[in-house]
Amino acid sequence: DTEVTQTPKHLVMGMTNKKSLKCEQHMGHRAMYWYKQKAKKPPELMFVYSYEKLSINESVPSRFSPECPNSSLLNLHLHALQPEDSALYLCASSQTGLAGTQYFGPGTRLLVL
Amino acid sequence: AQTVTQSQPEMSVQEAETVTLSCTYDTSENNYYLFWYKQPPSRQMILVIRQEAYKQQNATENRFSVNFQKAAKSFSLKISDSQLGDTAMYFCAFIHFGNEKLTFGTGTRLTIIP
Repeated sequence: DTEVTQTPKHLVMGMTNKKSLKCEQHMGHRAMYWYKQKAKKPPELMFVYSYEKLSINESVPSRFSPECPNSSLLNLHLHALQPEDSALYLCASSQTGLAGTQYFGPGTRLLVL
Repeated sequence: AQTVTQSQPEMSVQEAETVTLSCTYDTSENNYYLFWYKQPPSRQMILVIRQEAYKQQNATENRFSVNFQKAAKSFSLKISDSQLGDTAMYFCAFIHFGNEKLTFGTGTRLTIIP
């Protein structure tokens, strides 16, 4: 079973809204990831949560903030987003964070108006 | 810095034919892993196949196989007996052992024609 679930599937929000994306894995994996993917481009890594330690891609703006309530959940809080943040947001998990195979969820399609 | 290059932005083949997608990468490390992921229009990124650099034997998964040439830093994907469900964007990806960052190529859009 390699299931990673993401909610919601689609999200439309205004630039003043606060929303959250949720990611859950049921495989006992120790590392979870958030990626941003623009159309016809490869995914870009935003955050890694591995062995209770958060690593951040320094190019990610502070209007994105991850939260890991427990080892199977990784949320992404969104605040004051810009239209250019519209994209597919993918969550992934791996058994370890050390070159472990990453398994992806179905993604959340985000549109910022 | 490691890079992954996919030189074929788009490809199309007839159903039941065999197709090969190319991928080259650049690294100075010796221990790493290579992957092919498939992303159909449904958007989910699906693992197709994985290759450990220390293994000389090419990985296979049913109709999918790779040609791994470590010295040439080449990692091509062969799809045999192609099916309509193989229509997708295919990404080659690379990760160093002990690292958390997966580096993707730019992708090849494959269309299987009925």
